[in-house]
Amino acid sequence: GAVVSQHPSRVICKSGTSVKIECRSLDFQATTMFWYRQFPKQSLMLMATSNEGSKATYEQGVEKDKFLINHASLTLSTLTVTSAHPEDSSFYICSVQSGGLQETQYFGPGTRLLVL
Amino acid sequence: KNEVEQSPQNLTAQEGEFITINCSYSVGISALHWLQQHPGGGIVSLFMLSSGKKKHGRLIATINIQEKHSSLHITASHPRDSAVYICAAAVNQGGKLIFGQGTELSVKP
Repeated sequence: GAVVSQHPSRVICKSGTSVKIECRSLDFQATTMFWYRQFPKQSLMLMATSNEGSKATYEQGVEKDKFLINHASLTLSTLTVTSAHPEDSSFYICSVQSGGLQETQYFGPGTRLLVL
Repeated sequence: KNEVEQSPQNLTAQEGEFITINCSYSVGISALHWLQQHPGGGIVSLFMLSSGKKKHGRLIATINIQEKHSSLHITASHPRDSAVYICAAAVNQGGKLIFGQGTELSVKP
C-alpha cells in the first residue's frame, strides 16, 4: 500500500488564489519531508526541506513567502502556493525518507496544479 | 554542466532487449537512487545503493564510486517497463537529492 499520500491529486485554480497541498506519511513518523516541483519534460527540482517543529529550509531561488511550508506533525506537511500565477502551474511532489540503515525515499503520488 | 548526468535521454527498445541506462555524477554522495516515474507522474524508488550491485527481479543497478558512475540494467525488457527512469544523488545523510534529467524508455511489443 501507499506509504505517502498527497491531497489533492489535481487542482485547477484562478490566478491570485492560494492553494494548499497536503503530504502525509502513512507508515512512519517523519521529522523531515521534501517538496519537489517538476515542469513538463523536466526532472524534479527540490524546493524545500520541511522540518517538523521548525522552519523549512528553502533551496536557492525558491521564494519562502510564496511557497509556505508547515510541518505541523510527524505525519503531515503542507505546501501552500500563495497568490498563484500561471507560471506556478506544475507537478508538485513530496517525499519522506525512512530512517535506519537502509534509508529509502518514498514519494507521494504528486499534485498537478493548473493556474488559469 | 549538471551535477548528475544521465544518458541516453530517450531510448526505444524492442521487447526482450537488454537495456542499460547510465548515470554520472560530479558531487560527493552518500547514496545513489534509481527511480521510476510512470506517465501519470507517480514515482517509485527502485534502488538505493552506495556500493557494488543490487538486483531486484529483472532490474540490476551497479555503482562505481571511484568513477562516480552508476548504471541501471533491465533484462528481458517488456512494454510495461516503459517509463522515465531517474537517477538521483543523495548528497548528505539528510536525504537531499539532486536529480538527473531522466531517461524516457519506450519498449515496443
